[in-house]
Amino acid sequence: ILNVEQSPQSLHVQEGDSTNFTCSFPSSNFYALHWYRWETAKSPEALFVMTLNGDEKKKGRISATLNTKEGYSYLYIKGSQPEDSATYLCASLSNFGNEKLTFGTGTRLTIIP
Amino acid sequence: DAGVTQSPTHLIKTRGQQVTLRCSPKSGHDTVSWYQQALGQGPQFIFQYYEEEERQRGNFPDRFSGHQFPNYSSELNVNALLLGDSALYLCASSLVAPPDSPLHFGNGTRLTVT
Repeated sequence: ILNVEQSPQSLHVQEGDSTNFTCSFPSSNFYALHWYRWETAKSPEALFVMTLNGDEKKKGRISATLNTKEGYSYLYIKGSQPEDSATYLCASLSNFGNEKLTFGTGTRLTIIP
Repeated sequence: DAGVTQSPTHLIKTRGQQVTLRCSPKSGHDTVSWYQQALGQGPQFIFQYYEEEERQRGNFPDRFSGHQFPNYSSELNVNALLLGDSALYLCASSLVAPPDSPLHFGNGTRLTVT
């Protein structure tokens, strides 16, 4: 993996169902993985910043896991609600000493009431 | 506590013109990064400013330049605009340390070049 890739590109989920999506990133020289939620007409909001292999973070009904050896992270949403409708972006940061986050193209999640 | 503010929200320019976008960081933040999001793409890193100097730059031509002021606010300047510069420009602020601190984004400036 040379770039940050997210799948699926878009997702429709029934309200109340749980869902998950994937972020793949370069595993070499990994430093940190960010997740952001971006609601329409708002600014991207940070969900998690993860650095340790095997780390799992949770914020309410949303959680994320990180595998730095194989270069992937999963974002899980339990019991989806309409307010979860948003684009979810992940971004990786390498430890080459640079400060730029490399973003994926996002997963657009729509919750169907 | 004001978050990141960007101005203007929308802008229409003609090819060849120059544009300046402005950003005020979240209170207490010392680092400002600029990103370009073209349609269907993820945000692409343009550059980052800290202590009034450019610390890091992405793969953007010299037509893209910036500045950070002593109060940490920042400007993004784009010269000789091309149609392909049409995009949403996002400003994000953070703390320089720790280097894995999350970004706080503004709502962006939508630039249309005709």
